[in-house]
Amino acid sequence: DTGVSQNPRHKITKRGQNVTFRCDPISEHNRLYWYRQTLGQGPEFLTYFQNEAQLEKSRLLSDRFSAERPKGSFSTLEIQRTEQGDSAMYLCASSLSVKTSYGYTFGSGTRLTVV
Amino acid sequence: TQLLEQSPQFLSIQEGENLTVYCNSSSVFSSLQWYRQEPGEGPVLLVTVVTGGEVKKLKRLTFQFGDARKDSSLHITAAQPGDTGLYLCAGGAGGTSYGKLTFGQGTILTVHP
Repeated sequence: DTGVSQNPRHKITKRGQNVTFRCDPISEHNRLYWYRQTLGQGPEFLTYFQNEAQLEKSRLLSDRFSAERPKGSFSTLEIQRTEQGDSAMYLCASSLSVKTSYGYTFGSGTRLTVV
Repeated sequence: TQLLEQSPQFLSIQEGENLTVYCNSSSVFSSLQWYRQEPGEGPVLLVTVVTGGEVKKLKRLTFQFGDARKDSSLHITAAQPGDTGLYLCAGGAGGTSYGKLTFGQGTILTVHP
């Protein structure tokens, strides 16, 4: 297994455009998480899935953000009408629900820059 | 809302020195994890502690979970330039949010040769 894969690694977009990021978790992991991290800060929780069900969504997440995990495999995170404040590293992680004490495996992230 | 406060935020030391990073909260966590993150990469898990008072050692790194499961510390002995990075503590939630992690703001460690 090659770990958690995120694409693209970098994305530069103009304000007002829509962007979509993809995350491919470790195949046997049924939990998938999205976090956002700004420079010099720890990751902030956005949302997570168990299989295809979205179990929790942060109140920080405006209605411009949507995430899906069809068939409980890969996940996509879409941001509509991007704003400069959306510029951040978007991290995806996966875990086994019964082994969460084993920690997350993170991907390398997608760095979004909104100009 | 569960919050984790890490201190110090920045640490700049010489090779061979010892250091301790602290992670404190007013909330009880089901588990506490420490991660290390390199620039441009995702965090990598170092250790998980789940029992109050638990101590774990990973080579020159010693991790401790407070008795009340509200705080933790990371101690590095004889730091090396390869230890440079962002260190993050993360607390595991319980109940309906089981598995969700709350991260501290991180400690940026620089070890000079």
